[in-house]
Amino acid sequence: IVMTQSPDSLAVSLGERATINCKSSQSLLFASNNKNYLAWYQKKQGQPPKLLIYWASTRESGVPDRFSGSGSGTDFTLTISSLQAEDVAVYYCQQYYTTAVFTFGPGTKVDVK
Amino acid sequence: EVQLVQSGPEVKNPGATMKISCKASGFIFRDHCMHWVRHVPGKGLEWMGLFDPEDHESIYERGFQGRVTITADTSTDTVYMELMNLRSEDSAMYYCAKGVNSLGVLDNWGQGTLVTVSS
Repeated sequence: IVMTQSPDSLAVSLGERATINCKSSQSLLFASNNKNYLAWYQKKQGQPPKLLIYWASTRESGVPDRFSGSGSGTDFTLTISSLQAEDVAVYYCQQYYTTAVFTFGPGTKVDVK
Repeated sequence: EVQLVQSGPEVKNPGATMKISCKASGFIFRDHCMHWVRHVPGKGLEWMGLFDPEDHESIYERGFQGRVTITADTSTDTVYMELMNLRSEDSAMYYCAKGVNSLGVLDNWGQGTLVTVSS
């Protein structure tokens, strides 16, 4: 499964919305449980990645509610509803649908305008 | 509290082998697959493989097959990643990560081990 993301980078004013898109080459929706096997991670410079969202829309414990995930099948979106300075990072989507072959998207860099 | 503590930075010559470790604590080791992911500067995240402590099996990303070996010592809850025949393109930050059970969701990460391959 090939993961793509758009845009490659974006700059958003503080307090404004940031939207990142992720597309998979095949559906990540598992029919038997109706779950999308898609996660989102935040990678800040000098820090390890941090899990934000799994099952496409379930926020990890402790993640601020300005982060939300949506989508199903092959098209997914990560939204930061009101960008804060600490949100500057590269964001990656990742599929975990295929057993033991987990691929990341190429990443989207988010900066403050 | 889940902790994953990795071994220190390494500098290797091309063609050499590296082996880095990741000591886990704060969770039941046998209940979670342990993964290795690398981040090449200026590039994205690359999943390398995993170790399943339940059946002691390892699975590797196709691009690393034949060069990578992931093992674990379940008596010390430590997972290891060995990468052979190093080349300059293997210079990267290497992370271990805990999987959510057998899923590929990586909910806790080590601090990273910087590996530099240079002659």
